Amino acid sequence: QVLLVESGGGVVQPGRSLTLSCAGSGYSFSSYGMHWVRQAPGKGPEWVAVTWYDGSNEQYADSVKGRFFISRDNYNNKLFLQMNSLRAEDTALYYCARDSGYRAFRMEVWGQGTTVTVSS
Amino acid sequence: IVMTQTPPSLPVTPGEPASISCRSSRTLLETDDGEIFLDWYLQKPGQSPQLLIYTLSYRASGVPDRFSGSGSGTDFTLKISRVAAEDVGLYYCMQRVEFPWTFGQGTKVEIK
Repeated sequence: QVLLVESGGGVVQPGRSLTLSCAGSGYSFSSYGMHWVRQAPGKGPEWVAVTWYDGSNEQYADSVKGRFFISRDNYNNKLFLQMNSLRAEDTALYYCARDSGYRAFRMEVWGQGTTVTVSS
Repeated sequence: IVMTQTPPSLPVTPGEPASISCRSSRTLLETDDGEIFLDWYLQKPGQSPQLLIYTLSYRASGVPDRFSGSGSGTDFTLKISRVAAEDVGLYYCMQRVEFPWTFGQGTKVEIK
């Protein structure tokens, strides 16, 4: 079955960087767009970024544009989110989600998330 | 595009109908095929969000037919014809008409 497993979360100081990973299995990873979505404690989800199936296009939320970068390694079936200049408001549970198609159609399958805490 | 849901909390009786409203700050335009890219998600307690309804009115795989979506322009509705105990959780609408995709703030459905 389709499985997405996020990793790389942790506690990080403001201004520092962190990279999240998402391993996909049970499907042809290189054929689908992939998203990152985050959910701050007690809040609703916030869409963060998407990358097309081949990494040829990316889109970002305004709140992370210029600080976060989404990428993928289709050979190793992995998705990444490089997060720079982290702020307290980036504290959240970060999910990766598989799209239903090759670019950005809808988020069909979600992982369980990895927690990022930005605190001094 | 800002998405606003009402009510924020919805106590329901099993077997009774329920309805959640979602309003967008701008008209969600239809595609040439007449599709509106408005989705609904359900986040059950302790779980990740799961796709419930996509493209306004299509049920995701495995979703019971008691769930239905409708609307146009700026006003959208999720209806549950007969609420079941397993339907409790947080419901979110989300627009994907344009980037950035945006969610509503959620409606908490709980059993009375």
